[in-house]
Amino acid sequence: EAQVTQNPRYLITVTGKKLTVTCSQNMNHEYMSWYRQDPGLGLRQIYYSMNVEVTDKGDVPEGYKVSRKEKRNFPLILESPSPNQTSLYFCASTDYNTAHNEQFFGPGTRLTVL
Amino acid sequence: AQKITQTQPGMFVQEKEAVTLDCTYDTSDPSYGLFWYKQPSSGEMIFLIYQGSYDQQNATEGRYSLNFQKARKSANLVISASQLGDSAMYFCAMREGIQGAQKLVFGQGTRLTINP
Repeated sequence: EAQVTQNPRYLITVTGKKLTVTCSQNMNHEYMSWYRQDPGLGLRQIYYSMNVEVTDKGDVPEGYKVSRKEKRNFPLILESPSPNQTSLYFCASTDYNTAHNEQFFGPGTRLTVL
Repeated sequence: AQKITQTQPGMFVQEKEAVTLDCTYDTSDPSYGLFWYKQPSSGEMIFLIYQGSYDQQNATEGRYSLNFQKARKSANLVISASQLGDSAMYFCAMREGIQGAQKLVFGQGTRLTINP
């Protein structure tokens, strides 16, 4: 089944404790990105990657890092999480040849930073 | 400035009625795409419908149709014969520019509640 998976789905952590949210897709998509969703703000892009070893900042990159060593994986790293990073996070992927370049979203990771 | 505006934070509709969710957008790029996504209470993002800026006809997908008024820069989602399962958050999103630029810009969302 074609899908984007994220782990963990839920995470409660404390300020300053490094964490990684994994994202993996099995559709051989070149493009992957991370969004965060906050009430009243919709989804905002954090980072994106147009292919292996090619990453760039989105609209809200502060406090986050990413890497793209393999095509299928695009982990999101919070080196020193802070309470303002409490949010719902989505990983998404697309292929330049898919119909309408529809983005496929993962199930979401709900992160709480205390 | 907001690129995507959804002016209805919440809507309440009777089951079986049609509902229109508003979306206006702002871009100076002649090439863009407009998307609608549904987010049920379980949290996942479900793609509903797409409209390209050069598409001549309004997009339709089953009970969903997109009322695309290019001159007004609006892309309203119309759901016909609403069902209880349509209760969810709905997001309008836009992708600007060339094929390779895949960033989606989202509106704030509209929470739709279908009453039995």
